[in-house]
Amino acid sequence: QKEVEQNSGPLSVPEGAIASLNCTYSDRGSQSFFWYRQYSGKSPELIMSIYSNGDKEDGRFTAQLNKASQYVSLLIRDSQPSDSATYLCAVKGSQGNLIFGKGTKLSVKP
Amino acid sequence: DVKVTQSSRYLVKRTGEKVFLECVQDMDHENMFWYRQDPGLGLRLIYFSYDVKMKEKGDIPEGYSVSREKKERFSLILESASTNQTSMYLCASSSEFMKTGYTDTQYFGPGTRLTVL
Repeated sequence: QKEVEQNSGPLSVPEGAIASLNCTYSDRGSQSFFWYRQYSGKSPELIMSIYSNGDKEDGRFTAQLNKASQYVSLLIRDSQPSDSATYLCAVKGSQGNLIFGKGTKLSVKP
Repeated sequence: DVKVTQSSRYLVKRTGEKVFLECVQDMDHENMFWYRQDPGLGLRLIYFSYDVKMKEKGDIPEGYSVSREKKERFSLILESASTNQTSMYLCASSSEFMKTGYTDTQYFGPGTRLTVL
């Protein structure tokens, strides 16, 4: 069974700090990786996708991928209270579906 | 913008009832998915479809069936609802299927919170 692992948290950071969210996956052949944000009671919304080793930046968000270590992370710079949510890591499965981690709950304190 | 809509935000049904959850997407996506989300268990795939009249079982298909008669519509059916099917149900769609190495983003609908009494 292919797995995606995340720390459940909660991860608590002060406003303005960098939040670091981590994810490991079991399928060494995975090629596509996604970070979704989910507010309480809402559906997941895409933050970033990443396909190649290295960093990918989009505004305050940076995704990092290391396929050799089977590790993907999301950094949120200058964290804001509005970033408080559950962050879901997802990896493409062999049938085209996404395999989701259980999510890390982030709390940004004013 | 991609739009995925689901027929109901909240639904309350009785044990043994037949339940239909509808999902419609407006972006001509080939692939559509049904997940359920439960606290502590995360998102789990029930069924997916990569073409009209095609369906594939996900990780937890027992107790569910699906129908895809038109490309834009994917229905989840609970033949005889049970209390353990109380959950948040999420539909998603995407535009590529098994293109080598890469897949397009999955876009989610707002979800249906189903309670079975």
